[in-house]
Amino acid sequence: SAVISQKPSRDICQRGTSLTIQCQVDSQVTMMFWYRQQPGQSLTLIATANQGSEATYESGFVIDKFPISRPNLTFSTLTVSNMSPEDSSIYLCSAQYGGNQPQHFGDGTRLSIL
Amino acid sequence: GQQLNQNPQSMFIQEGEDVSMNCTSSSIFNTWLWYKQDPGEGPVLLIALYKAGELTSNGRLTAQFGITRKDSFLNISASIPSDVGIYFCAGQLGQGAQKLVFGQGTRLTINP
Repeated sequence: SAVISQKPSRDICQRGTSLTIQCQVDSQVTMMFWYRQQPGQSLTLIATANQGSEATYESGFVIDKFPISRPNLTFSTLTVSNMSPEDSSIYLCSAQYGGNQPQHFGDGTRLSIL
Repeated sequence: GQQLNQNPQSMFIQEGEDVSMNCTSSSIFNTWLWYKQDPGEGPVLLIALYKAGELTSNGRLTAQFGITRKDSFLNISASIPSDVGIYFCAGQLGQGAQKLVFGQGTRLTINP
């Protein structure tokens, strides 16, 4: 089964600071994604992390706020920039192992901003 | 944008009862997925459906891909305490559009 590791698993941050979340997959994958899950809510796609090129962002999410890197086929990072209390959420990484394969998720990063 | 309506939002049942939940959409999807999320963890894939009309089982779980491609249901038979959690449906257009659209979730609580 898929092994998707996220670091950190949780953090408490001061407003105005930035945090980078790492996602490591156990084997090469075609696609990686970043989702946000606000407290008690469902998952919303932030962006698709493209290997070797800029991420593709969904409506309502911008690169300046959520810069994403994907330097290779097994690793991606999401930075939450200039954080405010409204950014307190679970941030989840997912990976798709092939074109017709379902997405699998990491355990998420629980972020609280004071 | 695309939205999925998932029902019910919460269920309180007795252990041993069967459970049924569904998702409907105004848009067509080419793939339907069902996930379960436990506290402190990410969603875990339960069942993936790829063809309209497809009926797939995974142990006590059964899910179907609606003929219209706009709906799906998940049934759990003979519920046990470890079935507690939040169940999410997700639709995917496929064919190059790989993003998942999630339902609001069904929170399942089981009374022993």
